[in-house]
Amino acid sequence: RKEVEQDPGPFNVPEGATVAFNCTYSNSASQSFFWYRQDCRKEPKLLMSVYSSGNEDGRFTAQLNRASQYISLLIRDSKLSDSATYLCVVNPRGGSYIPTFGRGTSLIVHP
Amino acid sequence: DAGVIQSPRHEVTEMGQEVTLRCKPISGHNSLFWYRQTMMRGLELLIYFNNNVPIDDSGMPEDRFSAKMPNASFSTLKIQPSEPRDSAVYFCASSLRQGLGNTEAFFGQGTRLTVV
Repeated sequence: RKEVEQDPGPFNVPEGATVAFNCTYSNSASQSFFWYRQDCRKEPKLLMSVYSSGNEDGRFTAQLNRASQYISLLIRDSKLSDSATYLCVVNPRGGSYIPTFGRGTSLIVHP
Repeated sequence: DAGVIQSPRHEVTEMGQEVTLRCKPISGHNSLFWYRQTMMRGLELLIYFNNNVPIDDSGMPEDRFSAKMPNASFSTLKIQPSEPRDSAVYFCASSLRQGLGNTEAFFGQGTRLTVV
């Protein structure tokens, strides 16, 4: 099993739709979690951290389920500008200290 | 803060030539990562430094690749000799390691390397 797994997509949705991505991780000792956004030919950029209690930033909601070892990202009222690849990142507690990136989920929002 | 700065942004070189990629991490960050990204393999970690010391270089493909971090504000990734299969985007990222983990990583804009 890969350390961090994501559905590569693409998720093809119309403007205004709600879309959700999941990401599963295998290291139960993981400490912190993030969602990054990567536009074509650009660097990954932090979208939001994921907190145990769940957190929201405008149209974006991130949730963590430690028991089932997955994190999720929900995007409401999708915009054309949301089209990108979304990468989940899992940071271990101790050990290697190396963050593990998923392969990313591609989102295409069309008019 | 200017963020993570990488140079050059683009590099086209002939097979067999030496290539040096440069990175300036965010001031105050003590962890530095070099990644390679291709369509086929996604984002791969090449090497991780903490406090200028290489901690994990298991991702370095082979002896042709080497990385250094002579001080807290500068790192290089060298490929010698370069091969066409090294063509990729190389990212440098930095973060702060404190306590039991690293904070979120910030990426440079990357170096797009093409070896012909």
